Amino acid sequence: RKEVEQDPGPFNVPEGATVAFNCTYSNSASQSFFWYRQDCRKEPKLLMSVYSSGNEDGRFTAQLNRASQYISLLIRDSKLSDSATYLCVVILTGSARQLTFGSGTQLTVLP
Amino acid sequence: NAGVTQTPKFRILKIGQSMTLQCTQDMNHNYMYWYRQDPGMGLKLIYYSVGAGITDKGEVPNGYNVSRSTTEDFPLRLELAAPSQTSVYFCASSSPLGIGTDTQYFGPGTRLTVL
Repeated sequence: RKEVEQDPGPFNVPEGATVAFNCTYSNSASQSFFWYRQDCRKEPKLLMSVYSSGNEDGRFTAQLNRASQYISLLIRDSKLSDSATYLCVVILTGSARQLTFGSGTQLTVLP
Repeated sequence: NAGVTQTPKFRILKIGQSMTLQCTQDMNHNYMYWYRQDPGMGLKLIYYSVGAGITDKGEVPNGYNVSRSTTEDFPLRLELAAPSQTSVYFCASSSPLGIGTDTQYFGPGTRLTVL
């Protein structure tokens, strides 16, 4: 079983749509959680951290359910510029802050 | 700040050749990492360093070596290139001070093809 699993997609949605991505992690010792964004042939960049209480950054909302070992990302009012691959990332406790990446979910927002 | 820089951007190697991928950061980060990303896959950790003089293996270290003589530089060495090492290599750095400060900053990547 992969340590971090994501639906690879692709998700093709029209502009203005709401889209949700899910991610599960296998190690209950996971301590920190993130969503990174990766544009085609570019490096990953931090989109947002994910906190137990849930957090929002503009059109983006992230949720964490530790009991179910589940992370989600909701994008509202999708823009063309949101087209990218979204990577779910976790850090294990005491792991020298090593990131463990999911394979990513590809999103294409269509005009 | 230039952030994290990597050279070269692209390289084609023949089987058995050696090369060093360079990585430099100017943010005075203690932690540095090397990842590889195969097509359609997530990033896998090759090696990491928590400070000058300290390195450790990640998930996929075989076929690679690293050194960390300065805070700024973290080169990755491929000794005997194999086709399985065809990938995109990303270097990253961070300065984690506690939960919530784990942001890793990535370089633009090196695209390596081994033929």
